[in-house]
Amino acid sequence: KQEVTQIPAALSVPEGENLVLNCSFTDSAIYNLQWFRQDPGKGLTSLLLIQSSQREQTSGRLNASLDKSSGRSTLYIAASQPGDSATYLCAVRQDDYKLSFGAGTTVTVRA
Amino acid sequence: EAGVAQSPRYKIIEKRQSVAFWCNPISGHATLYWYQQILGQGPKLLIQFQNNGVVDDSQLPKDRFSAERLKGVDSTLKIQPAKLEDSAVYLCASGAYGYTFGSGTRLTVV
Repeated sequence: KQEVTQIPAALSVPEGENLVLNCSFTDSAIYNLQWFRQDPGKGLTSLLLIQSSQREQTSGRLNASLDKSSGRSTLYIAASQPGDSATYLCAVRQDDYKLSFGAGTTVTVRA
Repeated sequence: EAGVAQSPRYKIIEKRQSVAFWCNPISGHATLYWYQQILGQGPKLLIQFQNNGVVDDSQLPKDRFSAERLKGVDSTLKIQPAKLEDSAVYLCASGAYGYTFGSGTRLTVV
């Protein structure tokens, strides 16, 4: 059974600092990995999707890396802003279309 | 492209009552999921459909939860009777490659 772990559970940084969010998974036989953002009381918004054959994906200030062999992904958010405050979830998809989530990292960016 | 639609957004019911949630996925998406997200936790898969067939319902509490997908499009998730521990956000998602989630239904059982 796939287990997904996100560390840290919570993070508080001053505005302008870079954010580093970690995700690890136990079964490296994945199809892809997706990072989501969740605002309080809202659904999930997809940020980045990395195929198993890729090493990284970038979108604006966001960059996600994937090391499938070691079961790790990292989400980097450059020059954080108060609007980046949210919970960030990592989800791993396996070949049977199952999507397994971590518990998330709650980020607070202080103005 | 229209997103995944869910209704209602919020529901408050008493324990032992029944409740139903509705989901309309993105047009053309064969795979549809229902997730339960308890406060402070990541989403947990309840049931996965491929077209109108069930692919995985191993974590669905079948004594009280049921789900169906009509004609491979819309889906409903029902809880009967509800328990206090069912209080959570119920998320519907659809996808073919990546996944798109709806805004969810927040259920409070009192």
